[in-house]
Amino acid sequence: AQTVTQSQPEMSVQEAETVTLSCTYDTSESDYYLFWYKQPPSRQMILVIRQEAYKQQNATENRFSVNFQKAAKSFSLKISDSQLGDAAMYFCAYRTSFSGNTPLVFGKGTRLSVIA
Amino acid sequence: DVKVTQSSRYLVKRTGEKVFLECVQDMDHENMFWYRQDPGLGLRLIYFSYDVKMKEKGDIPEGYSVSREKKERFSLILESASTNQTSMYLCASFGGPVGYTFGSGTRLTVV
Repeated sequence: AQTVTQSQPEMSVQEAETVTLSCTYDTSESDYYLFWYKQPPSRQMILVIRQEAYKQQNATENRFSVNFQKAAKSFSLKISDSQLGDAAMYFCAYRTSFSGNTPLVFGKGTRLSVIA
Repeated sequence: DVKVTQSSRYLVKRTGEKVFLECVQDMDHENMFWYRQDPGLGLRLIYFSYDVKMKEKGDIPEGYSVSREKKERFSLILESASTNQTSMYLCASFGGPVGYTFGSGTRLTVV
């Protein structure tokens, strides 16, 4: 079974600085998807960024980028120019690409605080 | 905007009660999921469904059951609520280019 590990339960960053959240995963598959979700106090899960395993290029969405190291099974999220609105729980998630009905497997989450 | 709606944001029930948590999606998605979220444990899969009347157990199905009589509705049932089922419950659906869409969660307290 696939597992996702987030080793940092809590992180903090100064406003306008850069922070990196770590995620590692374990799988025997070669094709899969990786995700970072943000959950603010409103509880709504928001997709931050997604990476297909077959793509070597790291995904980027505005201030959010990933460092995808397939051989190391590592998928870290970098947030640049941190803003107060970035404060939230962040979850790393994995899904096999085999079929659409397979569920997401989540890590335990990292709570990010942004200091003004 | 596509939506997954969970009927209650907060719910308080007594030990031993039968509890229904309802989830409705308006995207005609075939796949729906129930997760439980606890601090320090992340989101754990309870059950999922890939079609009407079809269901699959997730990682923590004990004490729960589900019902999917219509495509748009996926219900989570606690047959006899216990205090260790106090948690946040998140519903999600999956389909098409939208991918996964989550509801806003139901925070259930069992007293």
